[in-house]
Amino acid sequence: DAEITQSPRHKITETGRQVTLACHQTWNHNNMFWYRQDLGHGLRLIHYSYGVQDTNKGEVSDGYSVSRSNTEDLPLTLESAASSQTSVYFCASSVDRRGTEAFFGQGTRLTVV
Amino acid sequence: QQQVKQSPQSLIVQKGGISIINCAYENTAFDYFPWYQQFPGKGPALLIAIRPDVSEKKEGRFTISFNKSAKQFSLHIMDSQPGDSATYFCAASLGVAGGTSYGKLTFGQGTILTVHP
Repeated sequence: DAEITQSPRHKITETGRQVTLACHQTWNHNNMFWYRQDLGHGLRLIHYSYGVQDTNKGEVSDGYSVSRSNTEDLPLTLESAASSQTSVYFCASSVDRRGTEAFFGQGTRLTVV
Repeated sequence: QQQVKQSPQSLIVQKGGISIINCAYENTAFDYFPWYQQFPGKGPALLIAIRPDVSEKKEGRFTISFNKSAKQFSLHIMDSQPGDSATYFCAASLGVAGGTSYGKLTFGQGTILTVHP
């Protein structure tokens, strides 16, 4: 069965370190998205990609970057982790650009100490 | 103007009761309104969605009611069950009128639903 997987599921890192969260999907979707989930804010879009070599900033992109070298993967990098980036991160993929029937990964809980 | 406001933040319902979650938006360029269900430790999963050309959509015990003039939409869960206990998110997506922002999903703040047996 097709799926979308995130790794690691849990991560503790120190302030200032670079951290990369992995996202891998086997749906063969062109469209992939990264969200962060914080209590009281719902899910907020960090970055998204509509295909290989395409990346776009979302509403809360400062301090984050993504790269898309193939269809299956969209890694999210925190260039210099800050305590404000402690959150649960979700990757999603969808068959179309509007995220219709988007499939989400299980999430990565990141703690920055 | 991109916000979607969701209420209540939490909801407790008895088994068999009706759960109602409301969302409101400002941007009339939104043209797709999905609801997502999230269980603890899991990612959100699409539950039901509606487009503004219809006022209601029903799938099993779940119904979306849509009021275009009021810019509001709501999720009704009939005969609520303990297994429905989860966090529910409404969302809205911009249509072509949103220009370069076409397709981006904006989520509400979430409602934690607890259904007591």
